[in-house]
Amino acid sequence: QKEVEQNSGPLSVPEGAIASLNCTYSDRGSQSFFWYRQYSGKSPELIMSIYSNGDKEDGRFTAQLNKASQYVSLLIRDSQPSDSATYLCAVHSGAGSYQLTFGKGTKLSVIP
Amino acid sequence: NAGVMQNPRHLVRRRGQEARLRCSPMKGHSHVYWYRQLPEEGLKFMVYLQKENIIDESGMPKERFSAEFPKEGPSILRIQQVVRGDSAAYFCASSLSGSRDEQYFGPGTRLTVT
Repeated sequence: QKEVEQNSGPLSVPEGAIASLNCTYSDRGSQSFFWYRQYSGKSPELIMSIYSNGDKEDGRFTAQLNKASQYVSLLIRDSQPSDSATYLCAVHSGAGSYQLTFGKGTKLSVIP
Repeated sequence: NAGVMQNPRHLVRRRGQEARLRCSPMKGHSHVYWYRQLPEEGLKFMVYLQKENIIDESGMPKERFSAEFPKEGPSILRIQQVVRGDSAAYFCASSLSGSRDEQYFGPGTRLTVT
């Protein structure tokens, strides 16, 4: 059973701080990793994708991947109240698998 | 709007009725995925389709649920004889290719079974 684990939170950070969101996955053969943001009552919105070990930066967001530790993280710099949402980690196993396996999400609250 | 489109956005059905959910993928995408999100639960994969083909239906309940993606028109997720436990948000996603590609989600259909 492929699993993706996230701390459910809530994670509270003050405005302007760095928010750090973490995710671990069980399938060592996983090849693609994604972070989605989901506001309450809305659909998931793709924020970042990462495929190789290391860091990938896009604006205020940085995704980090460590395949040896089976660990993915998302850093949000200069957090804003509009970043308050649930962040979903998703993993694509590859090797003929087409589905994304999602974690249950971490709820982030940015306090003004 | 070139994004993934779903309709209806909200659907209310009585127990025993049929529900039909539609999804038009993003322009240029021919790979469609359906996911279900139960209240306070994570997103769960249901089925993956390409035009006229079901590629992976490993997440679909064995009974009452079916999906299609015809040559012309949207993908349809069909739930027959709905029960209260089918109440959930159903999301469609599309991708450019079917391998490691990014999946983009539509706004979802929120099904309520009374």
